[in-house]
Amino acid sequence: EAGVAQSPRYKIIEKRQSVAFWCNPISGHATLYWYQQILGQGPKLLIQFQNNGVVDDSQLPKDRFSAERLKGVDSTLKIQPAKLEDSAVYLCASSLKGGDTQYFGPGTRLTVL
Amino acid sequence: AQSVTQPDIHITVSEGASLELRCNYSYGATPYLFWYVQSPGQGLQLLLKYFSGDTLVQGIKGFEAEFKRSQSSFNLRKPSVHWSDAAEYFCAVGPFSGGYNKLIFGAGTRLAVHP
Repeated sequence: EAGVAQSPRYKIIEKRQSVAFWCNPISGHATLYWYQQILGQGPKLLIQFQNNGVVDDSQLPKDRFSAERLKGVDSTLKIQPAKLEDSAVYLCASSLKGGDTQYFGPGTRLTVL
Repeated sequence: AQSVTQPDIHITVSEGASLELRCNYSYGATPYLFWYVQSPGQGLQLLLKYFSGDTLVQGIKGFEAEFKRSQSSFNLRKPSVHWSDAAEYFCAVGPFSGGYNKLIFGAGTRLAVHP
């Protein structure tokens, strides 16, 4: 069974530029999560989707971050414009349904200069 | 508020020695508890989880964890560490409610293994 796929694996941008990350969850998983992991910290949930609807985006900085999961499968997380403090690893995870075990992708490491 | 504390930022053990990583949580009800491991450049891999029942949980790679409600702890143990266990370990608590599943992670413990 294929795991959670993410791309790109690494991205370097300058502040005020925009960037997008892509995630393809495990086939059949209805729930998809985006986490932000800042160096030296544990992952922090940014947004949770159930199919193509948002369950929780309370910690998403909505003035600059956006995410979508239009067909209930893959998802895109965008940052526009990026700030220095957005440097982090962005992890995507999926679960069969909300409340089930979450399986994580390898992450995208973002560096904002 | 829900929180997870991992008191040890770094731990170094010798290969073959036993290991215990500490995790304390703050949560208003019976929590769902998890341990994940993250190797450099990799995503998080689930080691084990506790939902209910037997408080001693067995996981992959020879790890186990014990839920102690009275101490609000969920410590991870391994009787004999291998060099390949060097990684970062995260404890997490999940307040599940009607499909709402927000994992709250500790800051992690980085494990180094001496040969």
